[in-house]
Amino acid sequence: RKEVEQDPGPFNVPEGATVAFNCTYSNSASQSFFWYRQDCRKEPKLLMSVYSSGNEDGRFTAQLNRASQYISLLIRDSKLSDSATYLCVVNMGEYGTGANNLFFGTGTRLTVIP
Amino acid sequence: DTEVTQTPKHLVMGMTNKKSLKCEQHMGHRAMYWYKQKAKKPPELMFVYSYEKLSINESVPSRFSPECPNSSLLNLHLHALQPEDSALYLCASSQDGAKAQETQYFGPGTRLLVL
Repeated sequence: RKEVEQDPGPFNVPEGATVAFNCTYSNSASQSFFWYRQDCRKEPKLLMSVYSSGNEDGRFTAQLNRASQYISLLIRDSKLSDSATYLCVVNMGEYGTGANNLFFGTGTRLTVIP
Repeated sequence: DTEVTQTPKHLVMGMTNKKSLKCEQHMGHRAMYWYKQKAKKPPELMFVYSYEKLSINESVPSRFSPECPNSSLLNLHLHALQPEDSALYLCASSQDGAKAQETQYFGPGTRLLVL
């Protein structure tokens, strides 16, 4: 079983649509959670951290459900520039051990169509 | 623009060559990482340095040899690689590698082709 699982997509949505991605993780002791965005042939870039209470940054909303061990990302009013691969990332290193140990999902490919 | 820089951007090498990848960050971070990413796959952790000491080696073959000369520099020495080692090699850094909520910042990567 993979540590972090995501639907690879692709998701093809029209401009202005709302799209949601989900991700599940295996280690219930995981401490922190992130969504990264990776454009084709570029490096991953942090989109947002995911907090227990859920958090929002403009058109992006992230949610964490610890009981079910899943994380979600909601993108509202999709733009062409949102086209990218979205990586669900979980830190499974134990707090304070010096191990900031990230596990990446396989990524979900999003294409926003004009 | 990324504050983690990597050189070279592209590298083609033969299986008998020795080459090095370089990574530099000026954010005052004390943890640095090497990842390998194959096409359409997520990054896979290779090495972690925290305060210039190797803290995690994810059982990477010895043909990859990391070096951390100081807190802002990270090298990856390559020797006798195989064609299947062709990939994007990403460097990342974070504050000190000890806090759960730390963000890792990635460099643009070196795209390596082994012939």
